[in-house]
Amino acid sequence: EGQLVESGGGLVQPGRSLRLSCAASGLSFDDFAIHWVRQAPGKGLEWVSVITWNSASIVYADSVKGRFTISRDNAKNSVYLQMNSLRPEDTAFYYCTTLAAADTINYWGQGTLVTVSS
Amino acid sequence: DIQMTQSPSSLSASVGDRVTITCQASQDISNDLNWYQQKPGKAPKLLIYDASNLKTGVPSRFSGSGSGTDFSFTITSLQPEDNATYYCQQSDNLPYTFGQGTKLEIK
Repeated sequence: EGQLVESGGGLVQPGRSLRLSCAASGLSFDDFAIHWVRQAPGKGLEWVSVITWNSASIVYADSVKGRFTISRDNAKNSVYLQMNSLRPEDTAFYYCTTLAAADTINYWGQGTLVTVSS
Repeated sequence: DIQMTQSPSSLSASVGDRVTITCQASQDISNDLNWYQQKPGKAPKLLIYDASNLKTGVPSRFSGSGSGTDFSFTITSLQPEDNATYYCQQSDNLPYTFGQGTKLEIK
């Protein structure tokens, strides 16, 4: 059974940086594009970024473009989200997911909370 | 970016009722529309993919339909465990946008 596990969340001051990690197990990791989706407390889901299996294509939401960088290391079955110049409005649970529109390969992590506050 | 307009934002219904949620895309997305269920403190869970395909293991009281720009999601014979928030999401074009969500309360 495939599993994704996020880590790296926490409390950070505005303007500072944080790096999230997403570790995969039990799935053919390099078959999948990996997305980050976030959810501010009590709010809806917001798509953040995607990286294809070979890192050839990377896309960001306008709200994070120029501040966040997604990367992956297939040898470590991991995806990373480097978040710079953090703002209070970046406060959210961050989920990594395959976001696959398919029967058995739509995996989500449990989420990691990022709180941006002074 | 494709905008997804989901309605209603909330609804309340009783056990055994039938409820329908709609989702409208700002442009033609063929059948690239998925429905998720999210319970408090949990990650979203895929229920329906490609507009009408039920994910394995999801109860048959859940169904989806539509294509192009107009989609609907129906739960027949509501159960207490259906108390959750439901989201539509388009997977036709990046960024893969979500609807605003529908919070379903079981009376």
